Amino acid sequence: LAKTTQPISMDSYEGQEVNITCSHNNIATNDYITWYQQFPSQGPRFIIQGYKTKVTNEVASLFIPADRKSSTLSLPRVSLSDTAVYYCLVGDPINQAGTALIFGKGTTLSVSS
Amino acid sequence: NAGVTQTPKFQVLKTGQSMTLQCAQDMNHEYMSWYRQDPGMGLRLIHYSVGAGITDQGEVPNGYNVSRSTTEDFPLRLLSAAPSQTSVYFCASSQQGGTYEQYFGPGTRLTVT
Repeated sequence: LAKTTQPISMDSYEGQEVNITCSHNNIATNDYITWYQQFPSQGPRFIIQGYKTKVTNEVASLFIPADRKSSTLSLPRVSLSDTAVYYCLVGDPINQAGTALIFGKGTTLSVSS
Repeated sequence: NAGVTQTPKFQVLKTGQSMTLQCAQDMNHEYMSWYRQDPGMGLRLIHYSVGAGITDQGEVPNGYNVSRSTTEDFPLRLLSAAPSQTSVYFCASSQQGGTYEQYFGPGTRLTVT
């Protein structure tokens, strides 16, 4: 799986848009970008996955530029309940199907009122 | 569906004791894995399995054993607990490994004194 770099922590206020950027310079052609969210005292939860351009679901948007060397997870109008650790992972879901998923330290997002 | 279940939720062991952390899933997933999470360390992979009868080591396998006799169950055994194994343990499952969506259990908080 490609190495990723993301900020250790970010702070925000309720109602703001939060953008968390992940750098993955060595991303391979068949790699997808995946984000997980982990609330305190819970297991991680899959948020979103994408390959290129933009993906949006009810939780977040994922923006991927043409060179795919980075990606940005966007959380619109955050609330206190969005306080969590966010993990960025990059890998090939087809050819690495038997490969273990390795999590880094993630980005700790703290939302204040 | 119950998803991924883990028992017990909490456990305290003395050094040298053995125990088994249970993990079960009812989604007919082939891929299952165990992670440990220590403060400031993110998630680290212990062992994983790509199907019944097949297991492999992750980043930090020492001190842990696993087996996969059925698709549903993937127990993690500590043969001789050590204080360094004090951690929160998460089990996960998915249709495939790699960056396929992983479903995590609620975790087991283990303290070894």
